[in-house]
Amino acid sequence: DAGVTQSPTHLIKTRGQQVTLRCSPISGHKSVSWYQQVLGQGPQFIFQYYEKEERGRGNFPDRFSARQFPNYSSELNVNALLLGDSALYLCASSLTLATEGETQYFGPGTRLLVL
Amino acid sequence: AQSVTQLGSHVSVSEGALVLLRCNYSSSVPPYLFWYVQYPNQGLQLLLKYTSAATLVKGINGFEAEFKKSETSFHLTKPSAHMSDAAEYFCAVSELGGGADGLTFGKGTHLIIQP
Repeated sequence: DAGVTQSPTHLIKTRGQQVTLRCSPISGHKSVSWYQQVLGQGPQFIFQYYEKEERGRGNFPDRFSARQFPNYSSELNVNALLLGDSALYLCASSLTLATEGETQYFGPGTRLLVL
Repeated sequence: AQSVTQLGSHVSVSEGALVLLRCNYSSSVPPYLFWYVQYPNQGLQLLLKYTSAATLVKGINGFEAEFKKSETSFHLTKPSAHMSDAAEYFCAVSELGGGADGLTFGKGTHLIIQP
């Protein structure tokens, strides 16, 4: 069975540009979460979507937004890119809303470099 | 607010030796705890998780971890290290009643296996 897939694998943008990252969850999973992993750090939670609604949000500015589609895939958008947005962006899926011990399965990530 | 501390950003052991990776959590209530492994240029893979069923948790690839409430610890061990264990290891926590705000990760421990 296919795991969580993300596209693109790598991306280079310049400051001020906008970027869209895509994620397809494991078949049957209805929740998608997004994490940002800066080099040398652990992942940091950005959003969780379940049944197309935002159900959780981390401490990120409004430049970050996301949505979930009827097929449960998801997009993460980042506007007005800053150098500090350079990171590995990880998508994770879970069967249901990931609260209280629900296992999240991670994709390989999209590596974003902002110049 | 919950937090995770991983002692030692780098741990080096000889092949065949015991692996011990330390994780301490700070939570107002007993949390759910996870260990993930990340190989170079890959996403996160779940090794094991604690959800209060048993304090000693066995995971994949011969790893296990013990939940000690009195010490607020969840250290990861493996009796005999293998070269293929070289990777980045992350401890993460999800707090009971924490809602849908994702996992909180430690900064990671880079495990080096000496031949």
